Amino acid sequence: QITLKESGPTLVRPTQTLTLTCTFSGFSLGSSGVGVGWVRQPPGKALEWLAVVYWDDNKRYSPSLKNRVSITTDTFKNSVVLTVTNMDPKDTATYFCARTVIPARQAFDFWGQGTLVTVSS
Amino acid sequence: DIQMTQSPSTLSASVGDRVTITCRASQSISNWVAWYQQKPGKAPKLLIFRASTLESGVPSRFSGSGSGTEFSLTISRLQPDDFATYYCQHYNTNSLFTFGPGTKVDVK
Repeated sequence: QITLKESGPTLVRPTQTLTLTCTFSGFSLGSSGVGVGWVRQPPGKALEWLAVVYWDDNKRYSPSLKNRVSITTDTFKNSVVLTVTNMDPKDTATYFCARTVIPARQAFDFWGQGTLVTVSS
Repeated sequence: DIQMTQSPSTLSASVGDRVTITCRASQSISNWVAWYQQKPGKAPKLLIFRASTLESGVPSRFSGSGSGTEFSLTISRLQPDDFATYYCQHYNTNSLFTFGPGTKVDVK
């Protein structure tokens, strides 16, 4: 059974750095083609892709947030960490992590439940 | 950057209706297009990948088609559980993902 779960702060102050962790089970980030990405959704708005890291440590970032976002894996590839610097109230959103497999799907087939992050002073 | 648009933004329909949602790209793209269903407070659910391949466990009333700059998601006979928001997503040759703005299907 594949599961993913996001964890991290629910409230962040403006200008602070957000750090979220995606802990997953049921698959291995060491398997060829597997990736874990982050997607966010401001309240009442559309999905926005942020970043993805693949089994070979290849990383890709959304051009619109590239300078502020970083994605890493832990030593044992059991979790994926997203950091977003210089947080602003516009970054208030539910943040999801999700699995992708390339070239099989090029889509996110399993998702975490999401975690709401509010940016406010 | 390739931009994805969806139409309509809102679609009002009745149970049993045939529903089609369109996703257009700002330039010709590969068929690496996926469709998701999202209900309020829930994570998106993958329905279709590679433009027309049905994800395992998804009812056969959902289908995807298209090529070039225009792709579509069709629900052959709308069921009560299908009222939701639908998103298209493209994966480009630079390994970047782009989501469309979404289409809300509500009760007529």
